Amino acid sequence: GAGVSQTPSNKVTEKGKYVELRCDPISGHTALYWYRQSLGQGPEFLIYFQGTGAADDSGLPNDRFFAVRPEGSVSTLKIQRTERGDSAVYLCASSLAGGGNTEAFFGQGTRLTVV
Amino acid sequence: DQQVKQNSPSLSVQEGRISILNCDYTNSMFDYFLWYKKYPAEGPTFLISISSIKDKNEDGRFTVFLNKSAKHLSLHIVPSQPGDSAVYFCAASGLYGSEKLVFGKGTKLTVNP
Repeated sequence: GAGVSQTPSNKVTEKGKYVELRCDPISGHTALYWYRQSLGQGPEFLIYFQGTGAADDSGLPNDRFFAVRPEGSVSTLKIQRTERGDSAVYLCASSLAGGGNTEAFFGQGTRLTVV
Repeated sequence: DQQVKQNSPSLSVQEGRISILNCDYTNSMFDYFLWYKKYPAEGPTFLISISSIKDKNEDGRFTVFLNKSAKHLSLHIVPSQPGDSAVYFCAASGLYGSEKLVFGKGTKLTVNP
């Protein structure tokens, strides 16, 4: 498809386990963002990539969270030693060139449940 | 502390009438504002945006108004349609050159036939 694709759509994991969430952005989009949405809240910024590099990772809550984008396309968000508080919908978005005034296209999200 | 606030969790209007969704922000350094619409089990989709140098932007049935002195923006939908029923998020960007979007908590709009 032509949109942002996120896999898996749902992930249930046990507390303490490691998870990886994948994002396939729109082809040609250099900017990629990860957000997290908890119940009843708006999306909360985690990290922003411009090409292969993390231009802003100020939203990552702690060092259990890490994200990569090795070839400037697909990105993986990695969460170590998951906690129940990590349960949320993780959203990925991409845009043509970055910039706060550039429309970002969101994927459908990965719903992570930590039990 | 929330930098972008949507104080109405929900709004219900009749089909054909106007829907007005409100948003307040705390930092005058934001330079771009956006509205996103979200259906259940889908990601947010971009609706309309406005630069801080403007006070109005219109796109079909959707108009966004920006009042910088009050740090307030609103989204008007006229006429409202049942398909507009969704959660609407206000977002702001450009704070100190940052690329990230800062979202409000959202307002659930229900348009009744």
